[in-house]
Amino acid sequence: QKEVEQNSGPLSVPEGAIASLNCTYSDRGSQSFFWYRQYSGKSPELIMSIYSNGDKEDGRFTAQLNKASQYVSLLIRDSQPSDSATYLCAVRQGHNFNKFYFGSGTKLNVKP
Amino acid sequence: NAGVTQTPKFQVLKTGQSMTLQCAQDMNHNSMYWYRQDPGMGLRLIYYSASEGTTDKGEVPNGYNVSRLNKREFSLRLESAAPSQTSVYFCASSVGGPEDTQYFGPGTRLTVL
Repeated sequence: QKEVEQNSGPLSVPEGAIASLNCTYSDRGSQSFFWYRQYSGKSPELIMSIYSNGDKEDGRFTAQLNKASQYVSLLIRDSQPSDSATYLCAVRQGHNFNKFYFGSGTKLNVKP
Repeated sequence: NAGVTQTPKFQVLKTGQSMTLQCAQDMNHNSMYWYRQDPGMGLRLIYYSASEGTTDKGEVPNGYNVSRLNKREFSLRLESAAPSQTSVYFCASSVGGPEDTQYFGPGTRLTVL
């Protein structure tokens, strides 16, 4: 079983809609959760981090964490064509040292 | 601040050749990492260095060696390149602690013929 699972997509949404990206993780000891955006040919760029259950909002982005269900999601409101990218979910584990595990990513297409 | 830098950006090798990928960070981070990214596979950890002077294997270490030269620099060496090592290589760093977050370099695209 993979540490972090994501639907590979592609997820297609029209411009202005809400895009919903989902991620599940296997280790209940995971402590921190991250969403990265990766444009084609570029490196991952951090969008959001979330550490406790509930919602965290930053502009058009909302991260949601449910530790009981081992589930993390990212909502993108008012989606723009510039949001078209692959979104990577990552979790951090460890006490003496932090290890990060990444999902394989969900490709998002926002259609004008 | 340049953040995390990597050299070279692109490299083509023949099977059996060796090379070293360089990584440096100017954020005073304690931990550094090397990942490879293959289509549909996500990021896989090759080696990491929790702090200066220490290194350890990640998920896919075979065929690679690393050196944590100082706090800033972490290099990845391919001693005898194989076509299976064709990939995009990313270096990352993080400060450590309870709200640790990784930051990535621009990547090196390696092709082994």
